Amino acid sequence: ETGVTQTPRHLVMGMTNKKSLKCEQHLGHNAMYWYKQSAKKPLELMFVYSLEERVENNSVPSRFSPECPNSSHLFLHLHTLQPEDSALYLCASSQMADTQYFGPGTRLTVL
Amino acid sequence: QKEVEQNSGPLSVPEGAIASLNCTYSDRGSQSFFWYRQYSGKSPELIMSIYSNGDKEDGRFTAQLNKASQYVSLLIRDSQPSDSATYLCAARSSNTGKLIFGQGTTLQVKP
Repeated sequence: ETGVTQTPRHLVMGMTNKKSLKCEQHLGHNAMYWYKQSAKKPLELMFVYSLEERVENNSVPSRFSPECPNSSHLFLHLHTLQPEDSALYLCASSQMADTQYFGPGTRLTVL
Repeated sequence: QKEVEQNSGPLSVPEGAIASLNCTYSDRGSQSFFWYRQYSGKSPELIMSIYSNGDKEDGRFTAQLNKASQYVSLLIRDSQPSDSATYLCAARSSNTGKLIFGQGTTLQVKP
């Protein structure tokens, strides 16, 4: 596989569920990102990991918990989400602060 | 004032015409700018980056940057129906290094 992959591509969950989103990059990059994209809104940066350390947490609610076990993998753990958290969640990677390349995204629906 | 501003559109052009997409930004210290294309239901893909004042051409695409006016544009020559998508402008923050995205302009190219 090449580029940035994300699983699952679609996820429907109830407000009491716990689920995780997975991102994997095959580009040899050392920075990874989680973004949220809601309808009619700009992309919102959620978390940044550089060299496997979290360097950015954009006041994201604690019901979203990121994990970066190595430079190729990034997870977003979800628990007790709200319906307004329904959105497209995009992972991206870059080499340092260079150009970011996006994965296909996970379309999340919270019932 | 939004940090990166785009007209949401839709911008409608006939096939074969030049499509002109515009973006303004508020961070006078920004040095790096990016145009991404996003098809409906898909993730953003990088079209062009631009760092210096003036024009940068790549095939049918030309990015234009005017730092004095804090203005970035993307021209698409010989527009095709397959160019119909949302175009996202992004500027790298001079303070944080983060990419700040506009909300995107929807382009419709009519056969």
